[in-house]
Amino acid sequence: AQSVAQPEDQVNVAEGNPLTVKCTYSVSGNPYLFWYVQYPNRGLQFLLKYITGDNLVKGSYGFEAEFNKSQTSFHLKKPSALVSDSALYFCAVRDEEGDYKLSFGAGTTVTVRA
Amino acid sequence: NAGVTQTPKFQVLKTGQSMTLQCAQDMNHEYMSWYRQDPGMGLRLIHYSVGAGITDQGEVPNGYNVSRSTTEDFPLRLLSAAPSQTSVYFCASRGPGGGEQYFGPGTRLTVT
Repeated sequence: AQSVAQPEDQVNVAEGNPLTVKCTYSVSGNPYLFWYVQYPNRGLQFLLKYITGDNLVKGSYGFEAEFNKSQTSFHLKKPSALVSDSALYFCAVRDEEGDYKLSFGAGTTVTVRA
Repeated sequence: NAGVTQTPKFQVLKTGQSMTLQCAQDMNHEYMSWYRQDPGMGLRLIHYSVGAGITDQGEVPNGYNVSRSTTEDFPLRLLSAAPSQTSVYFCASRGPGGGEQYFGPGTRLTVT
């Protein structure tokens, strides 16, 4: 079975400070990892993904994530947060081995204060 | 491209009523899925389809039916609505390989 954990329900940072949203995962095979963002009353928007290759993945809106196989983590980062980054962030994982199901974490609410 | 569309945006049902949530995509994606989103629980997979005529259950399928007669459409049916089905429902589609899923705008369903 595959699963995702986002250990923090909420993350609060000041504008201009670095932002990190944590994610750990569990799969039986090689993971496909994703980050999505949800703004209020909207659907989910894709931010970035790790399939294979470089452990540092760059995505939309200045976000990046680092894949760490030994720690089974895929933390989302942004060097300098903006107030407009305030949203709900979801980490998701899918097993490479023919499993079509995408499993989501519970989500982390990010609040960036001016 | 409209992407993934869902109708209706909002719906209120009484316990025991039935309804169908519509989902369509214009990207020729084979894989489509339905999720429900509840506070503090992330998104949970209800049903999915890997192509026309092929559907399978996700982790929370009870109380929901699906069918996939065309590549474009993947409706979700509630046969007898229950208050526990109050949620926000998202449809998603994905192309082949390891690509990301594209989500619709969601349907907010309230069952009283």
